[in-house]
Amino acid sequence: QSVLTQPPSVSGAPGQRVTISCSGSNSNIGAPYDVHWYQHLPGTAPKLLIYDNNNRPSGVPDRFSGSRSGTSASLAISGLQAEDEADYYCQSYDSGLSGSVFGGGTKVTVL
Amino acid sequence: HLMQSGPRLVKPSETLSLICTVSGGSISSSSYYWGWVRQPPGKGLEWIGTVFHDGSSYYNPSLNSRVTISVDTSRNDFSLNLRSVTAADTAVYYCAGSMNFNWFDPWGQGSLVTVPS
Repeated sequence: QSVLTQPPSVSGAPGQRVTISCSGSNSNIGAPYDVHWYQHLPGTAPKLLIYDNNNRPSGVPDRFSGSRSGTSASLAISGLQAEDEADYYCQSYDSGLSGSVFGGGTKVTVL
Repeated sequence: HLMQSGPRLVKPSETLSLICTVSGGSISSSSYYWGWVRQPPGKGLEWIGTVFHDGSSYYNPSLNSRVTISVDTSRNDFSLNLRSVTAADTAVYYCAGSMNFNWFDPWGQGSLVTVPS
């Protein structure tokens, strides 16, 4: 069981907006430690999508956005495209474990 | 850029060893930590541990008794050693850089390591 909790799956039609939640506790997201998001396609290395809650690395479309509030964070994908079908993971730091923690991952399906 | 190397098949009870070579920058960068993450088949990402170039290391408590991550600044690489492996350690193992022990980027290409049951 992961320290950070994500829904196993979300889906949406092309063009729609979907959100992925990441629920933690006062020893990680609520501490507050920053939250980062990754997109993971089968057979490839995870790709950094959002860092420090709401910042996009160069080259990441502005359709992807992140936010953090209290002990939770969320990733939003607007204008959903077929190429967005992938697994998405949140990650933060946990003071109790003295290390990094990942969410269980959310599979995004484009209908 | 990170390039991983090491055996893809490890026998039960033996030690899994992987090396991650850093190119295009110094492993002794003051801002970067270096870590390992794994993904067992059909499961999510799991943090294994992180090391700084001065040798300071931090491990997942669930693996702490079996894992060692070390840095070789002369070769500009860092390594993972996981002892007494079982079939449950079968996974794709990734190395990654970690800015100030925060997010992971860049990542190595991944290595599927199999421990037969």
